[in-house]
Amino acid sequence: DGGITQSPKYLFRKEGQNVTLSCEQNLNHDAMYWYRQDPGQGLRLIYYSQIVNDFQKGDIAEGYSVSREKKESFPLTVTSAQKNPTAFYLCATKGTSGQETQYFGPGTRLLVL
Amino acid sequence: DQQVKQNSPSLSVQEGRISILNCDYTNSMFDYFLWYKKYPAEGPTFLISISSIKDKNEDGRFTVFLNKSAKHLSLHIVPSQPGDSAVYFCAAKIYAGNNRKLIWGLGTSLAVNP
Repeated sequence: DGGITQSPKYLFRKEGQNVTLSCEQNLNHDAMYWYRQDPGQGLRLIYYSQIVNDFQKGDIAEGYSVSREKKESFPLTVTSAQKNPTAFYLCATKGTSGQETQYFGPGTRLLVL
Repeated sequence: DQQVKQNSPSLSVQEGRISILNCDYTNSMFDYFLWYKKYPAEGPTFLISISSIKDKNEDGRFTVFLNKSAKHLSLHIVPSQPGDSAVYFCAAKIYAGNNRKLIWGLGTSLAVNP
């Protein structure tokens, strides 16, 4: 069953704690993206990766970190430096360079205790 | 500064009628536009797209129109169904250095009433 999986669906973070959100895909897509959505807002780009072992900051990268050691995986770490982490986090992928459509996972909701 | 604007936060339509969702943009360098549909607590799903070299693209009940001179695009849903009730996002593609990225609108919440 092809697709994008994000885990966990809900995640709770204590103050000062780093947490990692998982994103896995078996679509064989090269590019992967992390977005954040806040209530009543559009999607804001956190980080993206066009190929393995390479990633770029998006518009709101402060307080976040990523890695891309495998094509299938693009985990996002929300660090303690991110002062307002409560949001809905979405992972997306994109296929070959001729395509522009991004495909999204089901999302992870991060809540602060 | 919002480069992709969806000026109507919400829209309510009767089942069977046409839904028209609008999107305005400011950057003439955008060359590809996409519409996504999103249900609460789920990821957006791709609906339809259009290249800037075209003015219309149709897929079943969904049609997207692009007016480049007005920097305006619209999504038409005909006929509207209750299952179409969701938030609709407009996105535009632009080159950022050597990379391509999507710029997103804030979304329009569509309610289709039975």
